[in-house]
Amino acid sequence: SQTIHQWPATLVQPVGSPLSLECTVEGTSNPNLYWYRQAAGRGLQLLFYSVGIGQISSEVPQNLSASRPQDRQFILSSKKLLLSDSGFYLCAWSVEQAPIGGYTFGSGTRLTVV
Amino acid sequence: AQSVTQLGSHVSVSEGALVLLRCNYSSSVPPYLFWYVQYPNQGLQLLLKYTSAATLVKGINGFEAEFKKSETSFHLTKPSAHMSDAAEYFCAVTKGAGGFKTIFGAGTRLFVKA
Repeated sequence: SQTIHQWPATLVQPVGSPLSLECTVEGTSNPNLYWYRQAAGRGLQLLFYSVGIGQISSEVPQNLSASRPQDRQFILSSKKLLLSDSGFYLCAWSVEQAPIGGYTFGSGTRLTVV
Repeated sequence: AQSVTQLGSHVSVSEGALVLLRCNYSSSVPPYLFWYVQYPNQGLQLLLKYTSAATLVKGINGFEAEFKKSETSFHLTKPSAHMSDAAEYFCAVTKGAGGFKTIFGAGTRLFVKA
């Protein structure tokens, strides 16, 4: 069966520090991968998606970047965190490029920038 | 452009009472519609999805939703609330082929009173 792993679960980082969040998917090949951010009291905002190794599309200009070094690995990074980067970050995968079957989400990373 | 509106950021019901969470969408093409549930500090879990088959869709945990094209609605219901249903619920819409985006509503937090 397919599983998605996301770590760390919580992270407290000072302003200006770097960030690396990792997501891996098991039990499938060539998944479509996504990074979402969820701010308190708001819905989910799509940050990045990837349809294959090295292929990254950005939805919102921001202080973050994403990379996909391997088929089932998706990394969210920042060189210098801002206070506004705080939030709940969710990785997800889908079978289809247009996820008509829905997403499978990871358990999320709670990032607090202080 | 497609959008999703969830009416009511908070809904409170008594245990055993009917649960009704409202979702209205706008889409220029026939949509794919979803309901997700999120428990505290966890990722989202797919409850059910509408993909142009039967208009009444049954999901996990006793939930169901009815697609009403004339009302552009996809409300989520459960006949009898259980304490374990307390969570946040998100309605989402995905455009069909050619689109990568899923738009999420802002969420409705369900409280269940004993």
